[in-house]
Amino acid sequence: GDSVTQTEGQVALSEEDFLTIHCNYSASGYPALFWYVQYPGEGPQFLFRASRDKEKGSSRGFEATYDKGTTSFHLRKASVQESDSAVYYCALGPNTGNYKYVFGAGTRLKVIA
Amino acid sequence: GALVYQYPRRTICKSGTSMRMECQAVGFQATSVAWYRQSPQKTFELIALSTVNSAIKYEQNFTQEKFPISHPNLSFSSMTVLNAYLEDRGLYLCGARTGTGDTQYFGPGTRLLVL
Repeated sequence: GDSVTQTEGQVALSEEDFLTIHCNYSASGYPALFWYVQYPGEGPQFLFRASRDKEKGSSRGFEATYDKGTTSFHLRKASVQESDSAVYYCALGPNTGNYKYVFGAGTRLKVIA
Repeated sequence: GALVYQYPRRTICKSGTSMRMECQAVGFQATSVAWYRQSPQKTFELIALSTVNSAIKYEQNFTQEKFPISHPNLSFSSMTVLNAYLEDRGLYLCGARTGTGDTQYFGPGTRLLVL
């Protein structure tokens, strides 16, 4: 079945560091890809999405490019802030033969001032 | 913009009792609503997917008898946890989307504690 792998469980950075959170997926069709961010005590917030190869999604300084060749959708930000500390989830949208969203395990980002 | 509200935000119930949680979509028509449970052990457990004018689809290990869901219109859904026990603890999330878009918008969740 479809799956999403986030290799980093936790990431610790200092303010103004460059962020990369890796997301790789496995899907039989051509699903849309999403990034969500979840702050403590809140539900996941939609960051952005991409639905075709080489499309870049972006929001709030974060960006990711849909890469069908490497089956990846890595999240990047050039300069993180302490307020970016949260859990980030990569997700696959519904796809041919799969009506569900598939979420990665999440990556906890801690940014130290 | 698309907003999803959930209430209550937090609830405590005695073991064996039931509690109802609500989900309201504002600014868009929630053609389908997915209910999830989030816990430290399992990130997003899909409980059921409800689409207006269609049968509610429950996932394995979740039943209508335990988690009855109502989705009477395009802005509102509710779910009840019947006979709650310790294993039902967690953050219950409602994810809503329109019929044409594929983006799912989440509410802040209802945290259920069972004593």
